[in-house]
Amino acid sequence: EAGVVQSPRYKIIEKKQPVAFWCNPISGHNTLYWYRQNLGQGPELLIRYENEEAVDDSQLPKDRFSAERLKGVDSTLKIQPAELGDSAVYLCASSPRRTGLNTDTQYFGPGTRLTVL
Amino acid sequence: AQKITQTQPGMFVQEKEAVTLDCTYDTSDPSYGLFWYKQPSSGEMIFLIYQGSYDQQNATEGRYSLNFQKARKSANLVISASQLGDSAMYFCALRGDTGRRALTFGSGTRLQVQP
Repeated sequence: EAGVVQSPRYKIIEKKQPVAFWCNPISGHNTLYWYRQNLGQGPELLIRYENEEAVDDSQLPKDRFSAERLKGVDSTLKIQPAELGDSAVYLCASSPRRTGLNTDTQYFGPGTRLTVL
Repeated sequence: AQKITQTQPGMFVQEKEAVTLDCTYDTSDPSYGLFWYKQPSSGEMIFLIYQGSYDQQNATEGRYSLNFQKARKSANLVISASQLGDSAMYFCALRGDTGRRALTFGSGTRLQVQP
């Protein structure tokens, strides 16, 4: 079974430029997450989707970040315009439909390492 | 609010020996799950083991076991018979059963296995 796929793996841009990240979750997984991981820290949630609905985007900086999950499968996370502080690893994760208390494990992709110059 | 504390920024262990990585947590949820992930230098977060708050027995997965002490709010990861490929960052994470379903991660422990 294929894992979570993300592209690109690396991206270097100038500040104020736009950038987009793409994620393809594990087949059949209804829930999709975008996390940001700053250097030396654990990941922090940006947004969670249940199918095509964004059900938790409270930590998404909506002035510059946007996300979409068309048809409840692939997802795109966009930053426009990028700032120096956006340099981080952006991780996508997916989990299957909830089957019990806390048992829906999240599986992560390899991440996109963004460098803003 | 939920919080995970990993107090060991770095650990060294000799190959073939066992090592314990510490994790303490805080949550107001009556039901929750605890997870450990491994992050090698390639960057991918690899799921290792899960412990539910109502599980009666400590979780085990191959060489990984979780020493769960609910009263002390600790969920330490034990790796037996360390291998060179175990060198990586290890993250403890918590998810409560109510409210947000996002994982709350600790700051991680970097494990280096020495030959």
